[in-house]
Amino acid sequence: EAGVTQSPTHLIKTRGQQATLRCSPISGHTSVYWYQQALGLGLQFLLWYDEGEERNRGNFPPRFSGRQFPNYSSELNVNALELEDSALYLCASSLDGQRATDTQYFGPGTRLTVL
Amino acid sequence: DQQVKQNSPSLSVQEGRISILNCDYTNSMFDYFLWYKKYPAEGPTFLISISSIKDKNEDGRFTVFLNKSAKHLSLHIVPSQPGDSAVYFCAATSYGGSQGNLIFGKGTKLSVKP
Repeated sequence: EAGVTQSPTHLIKTRGQQATLRCSPISGHTSVYWYQQALGLGLQFLLWYDEGEERNRGNFPPRFSGRQFPNYSSELNVNALELEDSALYLCASSLDGQRATDTQYFGPGTRLTVL
Repeated sequence: DQQVKQNSPSLSVQEGRISILNCDYTNSMFDYFLWYKKYPAEGPTFLISISSIKDKNEDGRFTVFLNKSAKHLSLHIVPSQPGDSAVYFCAATSYGGSQGNLIFGKGTKLSVKP
């Protein structure tokens, strides 16, 4: 069974541009999560999508947005890129995010570099 | 304000010995805790979890201990193997919450020397 996939692997942008990151969850998983791992800061929760709806949002500005498509894949958009947006962006999926004991499965991440 | 803290950024252990990774939390509402392991260039993978109704959970070489009064949990790896070298993240949520409220620590990098 295929795991969570993310594209692209690496992305280089300049300040002020927009970045789009994509994630395909494990087949059958309806919840998708996005995390940012900046240097020295651990995993910071960004967004949670479930059944096509945004269910929860972390403490990030509105220029971080996303969506979940009918096939449960997801897209993260970062507008007006700033240097401090440079980080590893991880996507995870789970069967039923409404259950606290559900298990999240992570993709390998997209490394975003903002110059 | 960090609700989940892993105060040791790194830990080095000899192969065959015990590795003990620590995690502290501040939110008394947390009642479900997880450990994830992350290798370079890979996403984190789930390792083991514990509910607040237990104080210990074992899975092979991995044991997680929970001390609710101290708001402290630890992951024990016995015996440690070179393949265990990775970054370990502690995470917490509450049963009244969901996976969308999972809070991670900053991680501890474990190095197991042959």
